[in-house]
Amino acid sequence: DAGVIQSPRHEVTEMGQEVTLRCKPISGHNSLFWYRQTMMRGLELLIYFNNNVPIDDSGMPEDRFSAKMPNASFSTLKIQPSEPRDSAVYFCASSQNTEAFFGQGTRLTVV
Amino acid sequence: EDQVTQSPEALRLQEGESSSLNCSYTVSGLRGLFWYRQDPGKGPEFLFTLYSAGEEKEKERLKATLTKKESFLHITAPKPEDSATYLCAVQIAGNMLTFGGGTRLMVKP
Repeated sequence: DAGVIQSPRHEVTEMGQEVTLRCKPISGHNSLFWYRQTMMRGLELLIYFNNNVPIDDSGMPEDRFSAKMPNASFSTLKIQPSEPRDSAVYFCASSQNTEAFFGQGTRLTVV
Repeated sequence: EDQVTQSPEALRLQEGESSSLNCSYTVSGLRGLFWYRQDPGKGPEFLFTLYSAGEEKEKERLKATLTKKESFLHITAPKPEDSATYLCAVQIAGNMLTFGGGTRLMVKP
């Protein structure tokens, strides 16, 4: 398996624009996570899906953030409208009940 | 509130100088404690899972141990390639992981 695949690797956008981050989890994994990493706050869990159903989205910072998982092999994290404080590295991870495996991340810069 | 605290925040070692990284946690109902390694520009890479107090796991120069309140990652005779950020995480409800702030390890030749 190629591991967790995220796209794009880098995204630079202007404040107010919509940003969509994409993730393909490892085949057969039943859980998918979106994390955000910054120097100040470290790794924060944004949302957690189990069997494609959102289980906990308490980490989603605002209504500007939304996540979907239409099927077992694809998930998106959308920010609309984006703000400079959203600049961070966003990671997607998947697991099969035990350890989580992370993608390479998307570095988002909002200017 | 569940908390995971790692210390020190940064650690500089000479090659061959053994040391330990600490991860202390205050959680109810720990299901597992995980250690990850993260290199710059990459996602965290899984190292170990520990499930119960007294458990130990080893991989090359790394050994992880677990008590009821903390976990240690022991690094024996480190090499420059061991330089990275080491993250610990706790699993409580479901499959969610809550991460500590990490320890940045720098090993000088």
